[in-house]
Amino acid sequence: RKEVEQDPGPFNVPEGATVAFNCTYSNSASQSFFWYRQDCRKEPKLLMSVYSSGNEDGRFTAQLNRASQYISLLIRDSKLSDSATYLCVVQGGGYNKLIFGAGTRLAVHP
Amino acid sequence: EAGVTQSPTHLIKTRGQQATLRCSPISGHTSVYWYQQALGLGLQFLLWYDEGEERNRGNFPPRFSGRQFPNYSSELNVNALELEDSALYLCASSPSDRRNTEAFFGQGTRLTVV
Repeated sequence: RKEVEQDPGPFNVPEGATVAFNCTYSNSASQSFFWYRQDCRKEPKLLMSVYSSGNEDGRFTAQLNRASQYISLLIRDSKLSDSATYLCVVQGGGYNKLIFGAGTRLAVHP
Repeated sequence: EAGVTQSPTHLIKTRGQQATLRCSPISGHTSVYWYQQALGLGLQFLLWYDEGEERNRGNFPPRFSGRQFPNYSSELNVNALELEDSALYLCASSPSDRRNTEAFFGQGTRLTVV
């Protein structure tokens, strides 16, 4: 089993749609969780951290379920500029080791 | 403040040659990660260095190696290059003394093996 698994995608949605990405992780000792965004042929950049209580940043909501070892990202009112690959990242127990999921590609169309 | 810098930005090598990729982390960051991203694929974890030591390596053959210098910069070496080594190689840095800190990426080195 992979350490971090994501929906394979791609997700093709119209502008204004709500889309949800899921991610599961295998190490129950994982400490920290993130969502990164990667634009085509660019480096990944942090979108948001994921907290146990869940957190929201504008149109983006991240949720963590430790019992199920599951992370989600919800994007409301999708914009064309949201088109990118979204990477789920888990920080392993103990040290700072970061493990990236393979990413889910989102394409928002007019 | 300077971000993570990688050099060269592009590298073309022939099969069987060796490639050396370099990464300078953000000042104050002691952890350096290397990832390989082949075209159309996700990030594959290669190596993790922290405080000058190799902490972990991904599922890659021994011809992928590296090191971290006392100033925390890092080198990735790939020996006996194969065509399938062609990929974007990304370096990221983060502080090692705190949890829940993001990693910052360089813009990558695009390695082409012909």
